[in-house]
Amino acid sequence: QSALTQPPSASGSPGQSVTISCTGTSSDVGNYKYVSWYQQHPGRAPKLTIYEVSERPSGVPDRFSGSKSGNTASLTVSGLQAEDEADYYCSSYAGSNNMLFGGGTKLTVL
Amino acid sequence: EVQLVESGGGLVQPGRSLRLSCAASGFTFDDYAMHWVRQAPGKGLEWVSGINWNSDRIGYADSVKGRFTISRDNAKNSLYLQMNSLRAEDTALYYCARGRGSGIAAADDYWGQGTLVTVSS
Repeated sequence: QSALTQPPSASGSPGQSVTISCTGTSSDVGNYKYVSWYQQHPGRAPKLTIYEVSERPSGVPDRFSGSKSGNTASLTVSGLQAEDEADYYCSSYAGSNNMLFGGGTKLTVL
Repeated sequence: EVQLVESGGGLVQPGRSLRLSCAASGFTFDDYAMHWVRQAPGKGLEWVSGINWNSDRIGYADSVKGRFTISRDNAKNSLYLQMNSLRAEDTALYYCARGRGSGIAAADDYWGQGTLVTVSS
């Protein structure tokens, strides 16, 4: 069980778009639709932002979108806003009742 | 309103045991899988363990396999994590989280506020 790989940081100016990648293997990200993304503000519990690669839970703005190609999943935040500044984690089912998280990406809104 | 309230954390010496509990309310508990996820101070999220709706599918991270045991009591709407042979590296905030469905693979759509476990002599 190796953690999924995310860039440690990402940034963008208000109104811009930013994409965060999440690289796994053919045993996890590449093999299942169960890839999700979580947003975590300092001192707060994680919040589900994207599930099943590209689905948005109720209440999550459509500025957040997800996709997957091969073993790499991506989260795109369009029209960046100040409140989007947070840590973002990807997660994937890895088979045999196991789950994996990425190391997290700190998104800074410049 | 879905609520998940963790308890049982605290300061414990290396090698000792601790049992975490998660009280669930606001939803039909036995319709959903449940997970424990931890976060060491200043670090990222780490999945610890998951259990499906009827306890016949259970998974553990390699880092806790053989030391931690997850369980649930659907009659009491409660999730548990028995932690044995604790190590300093188990120090973390432990979150209880609800899966979106009855199986372990689905994402976690509700999270508790966490209970802090500190392993130190």
